[in-house]
Formats: sequence, structure tokens, C-alpha cells
Amino acid sequence: KAGVTQTPRYLIKTRGQQVTLSCSPISGHRSVSWYQQTPGQGLQFLFEYFSETQRNKGNFPGRFSGRQFSNSRSEMNVSTLELGDSALYLCASSERGFSGELFFGEGSRLTVL
Amino acid sequence: GQQVMQIPQYQHVQEGEDFTTYCNSSTTLSNIQWYKQRPGGHPVFLIQLVKSGEVKKQKRLTFQFGEAKKNSSLHITATQTTDVGTYFCAGDYGGATNKLIFGTGTLLAVQP
Repeated sequence: KAGVTQTPRYLIKTRGQQVTLSCSPISGHRSVSWYQQTPGQGLQFLFEYFSETQRNKGNFPGRFSGRQFSNSRSEMNVSTLELGDSALYLCASSERGFSGELFFGEGSRLTVL
Repeated sequence: GQQVMQIPQYQHVQEGEDFTTYCNSSTTLSNIQWYKQRPGGHPVFLIQLVKSGEVKKQKRLTFQFGEAKKNSSLHITATQTTDVGTYFCAGDYGGATNKLIFGTGTLLAVQP
């Protein structure tokens, strides 16, 4: 099976812009979760989707949003980018959600200038 | 809210020495998972512990889940340079919470 695919792998944006990141989960996995990873904060949970429904979200401002499509592919969007949004954004898929193993993608590294 | 503390943040060992990282949760966990992230890579699942007092072994790695299901540890015997990376625990609080909260991670450096 192909692994979790995230695009783009690297991107540079300027403050105030918006960005959309994409995640294609492993075939058959219906749960997709997103994490922000920074050196100082570790892995911070953003949100989790299961069968197109957001089941839970972390403590991030409303500028961070996401969605999941019927084929389980997911996107996350960050609007009005700030310098502090620079991070590695990781997507993880699983069959059932957090009760089972998460398979992470390589991540999308966002730099905000 | 739920929080998972992990110590130490960084550990430097000589190859062949043992290594242990500890995780503590403020509240009872449904289960705990462990992941390893190599430098420049992404987290890779190692194991999941579900039962109170559970102990699991994977070759030189030993994982324990506390009796109260609030703490866990990962012990590596006789470290090798291939063990280099950051080890994360991740607590699942289950139920309505439905979140996986990652610890801050322990960066392991192994000197040959």
C-alpha cells in the first residue's frame, strides 16, 4: 500500500497570505488527523476528521481550518499567516482514529516570512 | 486540560549504555502509544499499551504502562547509533475527548 502523501513538501509564504495543505491517507483509512510540529512546542494536535466529519479539534485559532472529502483526502487551510505559523505540518491516517496506530506523512514544511 | 509530560528532553549516551524516557499524564489514559522520529523524518509508530501494568518488549526496547494508567516508560538496552532520534509518547484519553496528546519528546543522541 502507498503511504500517507502530503503536498506540498515545502512552501514559503509571507505574512497575511493563506495556505492550503493536502493529505492523502492510506487507502482504506477513514481517519485523518493534523499536527503542527515546532522545535519549542513539539507535536500539537490541530484536528481530526473521520468520514468527512470533524470529530475533535485542538486549541488553535479559527484561522486554522480543515476538511475531509468523500475519498478521505483531507486539506487544511491557514488564513492570514503569521510568523509563528512557521512549522512542520504533519498529517496522520489511521483505520479507526486514536485507538490505533497512526501513520504519518512526511509533512509540509511551511516558512512564513 | 489533558497534558502529557515527558522527561528528559535530551539524553546523550555512549553506544552500549542504556536509555530510559518517562511519560506522565495528569489524568488516566485509555491507552498510550510510542513513536520514534529520526532526524529530518516523520514519527513512526513503535507500540501501543492498553492494559494497566502492561509490559511489552521489542528486541532491545521495553515499554511499560503504569498500574494507574497515568505513566509510561520506554527503556532501551545497550543503545546503538541506529537508536538516534526523538521518542514521543502519545496519550489517548478516549471517550468524548477523542484526542491523542503527544509528549514533548526525548531526543536521544548516541556517541559511537
